[in-house]
Amino acid sequence: KAGVTQTPRYLIKTRGQQVTLSCSPISGHRSVSWYQQTPGQGLQFLFEYFSETQRNKGNFPGRFSGRQFSNSRSEMNVSTLELGDSALYLCASSLRGGDYGYTFGSGTRLTVV
Amino acid sequence: EDKVVQSPLSLVVHEGDTVTLNCSYEVTNFRSLLWYKQEKKAPTFLFMLTSSGIEKKSGRLSSILDKKELFSILNITATQTGDSAVYLCAVDSTYNAGNNRKLIWGLGTSLAVNP
Repeated sequence: KAGVTQTPRYLIKTRGQQVTLSCSPISGHRSVSWYQQTPGQGLQFLFEYFSETQRNKGNFPGRFSGRQFSNSRSEMNVSTLELGDSALYLCASSLRGGDYGYTFGSGTRLTVV
Repeated sequence: EDKVVQSPLSLVVHEGDTVTLNCSYEVTNFRSLLWYKQEKKAPTFLFMLTSSGIEKKSGRLSSILDKKELFSILNITATQTGDSAVYLCAVDSTYNAGNNRKLIWGLGTSLAVNP
């Protein structure tokens, strides 16, 4: 059974640009959560989608947005990139919102220059 | 404010040593506590703990939860170089009258096992 797939693996963008990251969950998983990981802040929750609806949202500015498609694949978008957005972006899928744990993808390493 | 605190932040041991990693939490509406191992990128699931006093075990790793004192420990016996990683603790909690849930993460413990 395929795991959680995130693309691209690495990305370099310049300030002011926008970026879209993709996450394909484990087949049958309907919940997808996104996290930002930085050395100083650890894992910070961005948002969670379940059946195409945003169910939870963390404390990030409106430049961070996401969506989920009918096949449960999810995308997150960051507009007007800032240097501080450089981070590892992880997505996690779960069967039913975490009751059986979360499986993480390998992440997208975003560098903003 | 909900928080999860892990200690120590980093640890260096020799192969064969036993280590104990700590995770304390202050979280309203606790559901479960999870341990993950992160080597390069994807955190991999180790344990989910929901009940106090029941040890979960997987090979050389074990973990236990104390819901009265609000902490969990992760033990690794007979450590190997392959155990070198960051160990993350997270608490799954609900809010908004149980309609929403979120994971609150500690900063992790970086473990280095030297041969």
